[in-house]
Amino acid sequence: DIQMTQSPSSLSASVGDRVTVTCRASQDIRNYLAWFQQKPGNGPKFLIFAASSLQTGVPTRFSGSGSGREFTLTISNLQPDDFGTYYCQQYNDNPWTFGRGTKVEI
Amino acid sequence: QVQLQESGPGLVRPSETLSLTCTVSGGSVSTFYWSWIRLAPGQGLEWIGYTYYSGRPYYHPSLKSRVTISADTSQNQVSLRLSSVTASDTAVYYCARLNRYNWSHWVHEIWGQGKSVTVSS
Repeated sequence: DIQMTQSPSSLSASVGDRVTVTCRASQDIRNYLAWFQQKPGNGPKFLIFAASSLQTGVPTRFSGSGSGREFTLTISNLQPDDFGTYYCQQYNDNPWTFGRGTKVEI
Repeated sequence: QVQLQESGPGLVRPSETLSLTCTVSGGSVSTFYWSWIRLAPGQGLEWIGYTYYSGRPYYHPSLKSRVTISADTSQNQVSLRLSSVTASDTAVYYCARLNRYNWSHWVHEIWGQGKSVTVSS
């Protein structure tokens, strides 16, 4: 199975900050990576696919980059509604696998 | 607007079978692929498997011998059955709609709220 390693596991930031979350794959996954945001009591919300393509309706302060084994999710101008846990997921190879999450506190 | 709602017992005894249902509203089960995913305490999300109403399901190799996922178009539901459960199967279970973007990018685009299941005697 492809292992997805996220860092940091948690972070605390202020409104207006720029936040970066990193996701590393144990092998090349091209750009077959998605990002999700989860808030307590809810299922994850789909943000980004193909490493950098924003889902319709997702604020443009969210962006993704990377290919191969290393990827980043950046939130520029952090807003109060951006708190939650962020997960990456690779879908290049079965079984599809997720990172363990990065908890973002405002 | 499509909504997914998981339901089923919140407590299952060890060695028994966990059975959950995902009810789809605002859309048809027969139009998309459907996944089950779980989040165990202190762990990351784990994809369990997916199905299409008229196709062969695909399961995580580590769970393949115990899991069955199926779609019922008459009820507009997707079901999950996991047999011979142990405490390590304690988790929040999510159903999610799979969709294909840009020809080859399969994404879990809509998720339910999740159903918490505890395996304990």
